[in-house]
Amino acid sequence: AQSVTQLGSHVSVSEGALVLLRCNYSSSVPPYLFWYVQYPNQGLQLLLKYTTGATLVKGINGFEAEFKKSETSFHLTKPSAHMSDAAEYFCAVSMIKAAGNKLTFGGGTRVLVKP
Amino acid sequence: ETGVTQSPTHLIKTRGQQVTLRCSSQSGHNTVSWYQQALGQGPQFIFQYYREEENGRGNFPPRFSGLQFPNYSSELNVNALELDDSALYLCASSSRQGAGNTEAFFGQGTRLTVV
Repeated sequence: AQSVTQLGSHVSVSEGALVLLRCNYSSSVPPYLFWYVQYPNQGLQLLLKYTTGATLVKGINGFEAEFKKSETSFHLTKPSAHMSDAAEYFCAVSMIKAAGNKLTFGGGTRVLVKP
Repeated sequence: ETGVTQSPTHLIKTRGQQVTLRCSSQSGHNTVSWYQQALGQGPQFIFQYYREEENGRGNFPPRFSGLQFPNYSSELNVNALELDDSALYLCASSSRQGAGNTEAFFGQGTRLTVV
C-alpha cells in the first residue's frame, strides 16, 4: 500500500519569499504524483502532476515540483510567494497499474503568506 | 462545459440518521470518486464508480454505499450516522477509467455535521 507524508502541517512565508512544501511517498513502485491546492470552502484544484518523462514539472500559478526517485520525494516550490498563494496544499499519489485514478493524499500543508 | 457540482453544500444530521449526498460529474466524464475529508486532514478515498459499477473501495464500512446513474451522476449514502462521519465529502470526476494519471476534477464538497 502506498502512503504520502507532508512535512510541516503549517508553513509561514513572507510575500516575495520562496515557497517550499515537502512531500515524500512510500510505494513499492514509482507512482503518479500530484499536487492539489484547496482554498477556503472550496474543492481541490490540480496544480501539477508527474506521470512520465521530465522529472521537473511546471504547473499553474508559477509552481513547480521535482520528482526524485532516489529520495521518493516530490517537493513543491514557487520562487516568489504572493498573497493569493495562501491556501492548503495536498500531495497525492495514484498507482500506475491500478484501475482508475484513486488518489492517496498526504495530510496537507497550510500556507500563510505574510505581507 | 459545466464543472463538478455537489448538493447540498451543507447539512446537519442527527446521530443514527441516514444521509444522501449528490454529485453531478463534469460533462464527458464517466468516472466518479468520493472522498471524505475530516477537519485538518487530507481527503480519504471512499469508493469509485465507473459506468455504474463500483470500481474500488477504500477502508470504509458497508454503511457507506453509493450509486452511479446512466448520466454518470452519483450518490453517496451513509446509514446509521456517527459523530465521526462529520466531514467534508468531496466528489471527483474524470474522463476515463483504467489510467492512474487521469486528472480528477473536484466539486466544492458537502459539509456534513453529525450532532
